[in-house]
Amino acid sequence: EVQLVESGGGQVQPGGSLRLSCAASGFIFSRYWMHWVRQVPGKGLVWVARINTDGSSISYADAVKGRFSVSRDNAKNTLLLEMNSLRAEDTAVYYCATLVAERVMDNYYYGMDVWGQGTMVTVSS
Amino acid sequence: DIQMTQSPLSLSASVGDRVTITCQASQDISNSLSWYQQKPGKAPELLIYDASTLETGVPSRFGGSGSGTDFTFTISSLQPEDIATYFCHQYHHLPLTFGGGTKVEI
Repeated sequence: EVQLVESGGGQVQPGGSLRLSCAASGFIFSRYWMHWVRQVPGKGLVWVARINTDGSSISYADAVKGRFSVSRDNAKNTLLLEMNSLRAEDTAVYYCATLVAERVMDNYYYGMDVWGQGTMVTVSS
Repeated sequence: DIQMTQSPLSLSASVGDRVTITCQASQDISNSLSWYQQKPGKAPELLIYDASTLETGVPSRFGGSGSGTDFTFTISSLQPEDIATYFCHQYHHLPLTFGGGTKVEI
C-alpha cells in the first residue's frame, strides 16, 4: 500500500524549533518530488516547500524562507522538515505529499498524488 | 504569486442536483489546475488534474473544464458522500497556490 506517514508534531513555544518527519512506503520514494503543505484547521491549504528527487533543488514559500529547511533521505525513504524560529502563525496541520504533476522548467512530469494524514504543530506559549 | 479566487465559499444543494464551482487564476496558468476534495479530519484527495482529466478511480459524476484563467468544477448529480470542501490548485508556477475552498452541504 502506498503510504505517507508524518510524525514529530506537537506544541512548541514561539521562537522554538521542531522537526517533522514523513515516512514513505509502498512506492519508490527516490523517484518522486515531495512537498510540504500546511492547513490551519478549518481554513485553506498553503504550500510550504518542495524538494526534488535527489535534494538538489528546493523551493520555499516566502513565509517560511530562512526559517524552515526541507531535506530527504532516500536510503531511509524519509522526508524531513526542520522548523526554526517558529511563530504563532505557523500553527497548522502539516501534510507531506507527492503531487500528480510537477512543472520543471517548461516540462511537466506526471506521477501519483498521495498525501499523509497530517501532523499538528501548535506554536503557543 | 498567482492568486486563485474560488467561488462560492459555500453552497447547499439537494441530492441529485448539479453543482458548479468556479476558480479564477490571477494570471494565465494554461491547464495546470487540479481539484481536490477534503472531508473533515482527512487529507485532500485528488479528483481532477490538468483542468479536466479525471483521476483514476474517481466517479464520472465529477468533471472539470477551463484553461488560461477561468476554470469550472462540476458534480453532475450530487450524492450524500460528496459532502466535503473542494479546493482548486494551480501548479503552473511556484509558489503553488490553492483556492480558498468551497464547502458543499446538502
